[in-house]
Amino acid sequence: DAGVTQSPTHLIKTRGQQVTLRCSPKSGHDTVSWYQQALGQGPQFIFQYYEEEERQRGNFPDRFSGHQYPNYSSELNVNALLLGDSALYLCASSPGQGITETQYFGPGTRLLVL
Amino acid sequence: AQSVSQHNHHVILSEAASLELGCNYSYGGTVNLFWYVQYPGQHLQLLLKYFSGDPLVKGIKGFEAEFIKSKFSFNLRKPSVQWSDTAEYFCALFSGNTGKLIFGQGTTLQVKP
Repeated sequence: DAGVTQSPTHLIKTRGQQVTLRCSPKSGHDTVSWYQQALGQGPQFIFQYYEEEERQRGNFPDRFSGHQYPNYSSELNVNALLLGDSALYLCASSPGQGITETQYFGPGTRLLVL
Repeated sequence: AQSVSQHNHHVILSEAASLELGCNYSYGGTVNLFWYVQYPGQHLQLLLKYFSGDPLVKGIKGFEAEFIKSKFSFNLRKPSVQWSDTAEYFCALFSGNTGKLIFGQGTTLQVKP
């Protein structure tokens, strides 16, 4: 049973560019959440997708957008990249939105913006 | 505003020493608390969680945590650490109002053999 997978593992971009990160949830999971983890910090919630719609959103600008497909996989898009967007981006999946549903995390995509 | 605070940023212990990592939260509603661990080169994994009931929660690998409502705390403990416990530990709060996990800044644990 494959866990949460993310691609790519590493990415280097320059300021102003756009980036797309991808996530495949654990089998049987229909809810995907995205987090940004800056160096030396805990993960910060970006948004959550369920039934192909954004259900919850953290304090991130509109430059951060996402999508969920019918097979529950998800994308995180970041436009007009800033140096401060350099971070580890984590995807987490769960079998539903409920609080009792544990989130399982992927290995992350490390983004470096130059 | 909801928040999670982990007091110890970097802890160094010798093998067999006892461990206690502090976690305090700020939240006025019903709390649901978690400890996650990130071993070097691996992804975040759930250690244990508290939703309700017995405030002493046991997790994997011999870890436990105690929810003390009056102190707004959820400290992580292990009686005897091993070198393989070297990792980063995150305390997290689920905010029912916003439906999101709020993480503390993490504690790096280094266990010397």
